[in-house]
Amino acid sequence: NAGVTQTPKFRVLKTGQSMTLLCAQDMNHEYMYWYRQDPGMGLRLIHYSVGEGTTAKGEVPDGYNVSRLKKQNFLLGLESAAPSQTSVYFCASSYGRGGETQYFGPGTRLLVL
Amino acid sequence: AQSVTQLDSQVPVFEEAPVELRCNYSSSVSVYLFWYVQYPNQGLQLLLKYLSGSTLVKGINGFEAEFNKSQTSFHLRKPSVHISDTAEYFCAVSGGLRAAGNKLTFGGGTRVLVKP
Repeated sequence: NAGVTQTPKFRVLKTGQSMTLLCAQDMNHEYMYWYRQDPGMGLRLIHYSVGEGTTAKGEVPDGYNVSRLKKQNFLLGLESAAPSQTSVYFCASSYGRGGETQYFGPGTRLLVL
Repeated sequence: AQSVTQLDSQVPVFEEAPVELRCNYSSSVSVYLFWYVQYPNQGLQLLLKYLSGSTLVKGINGFEAEFNKSQTSFHLRKPSVHISDTAEYFCAVSGGLRAAGNKLTFGGGTRVLVKP
């Protein structure tokens, strides 16, 4: 099993450009998450999904959109990138119950100039 | 709302010495508690978690943590560290079995640097 994979690994954008980050999991998990990691701030939840076709806002959703059209995929979109969105983005997935372990992907490093 | 405070942003320690990483949380409901580790340029992986039962939790790689409800703490310990334990460690909390979405709130992280 590949676990959780993320595409791309690294990307440079100019302010105002758009892009989509792809997360895929092969563990048949119900729940999926997008986090951003910034120095000294730990990981902060952007959006999450509790099942195919459903999404919900996390702690820092502004400037991002998500879609979960298939159970195994969770897409994170930036419509108009800003320098404040320079960060490392992590996707995670888990079974659908409280206390279940979240499994993380390797991350996508995004630089917005 | 929940919050997690990791009291040390960096902890230097010599090889084979013990280490303790401190974590305090605040929550108005029962919580589940987690410690994750992030090795350089990798994603996070679970070290251990507390859901219920014994307050002393043992995890992978010789780590253990103790849940203290009265002090709202979940400190992580290892009696003897190795160079390979150099990493960033994150404490996290979720809102219990009935909380929607199994969402995690993370602390700011503690960087552990093991010196030879």
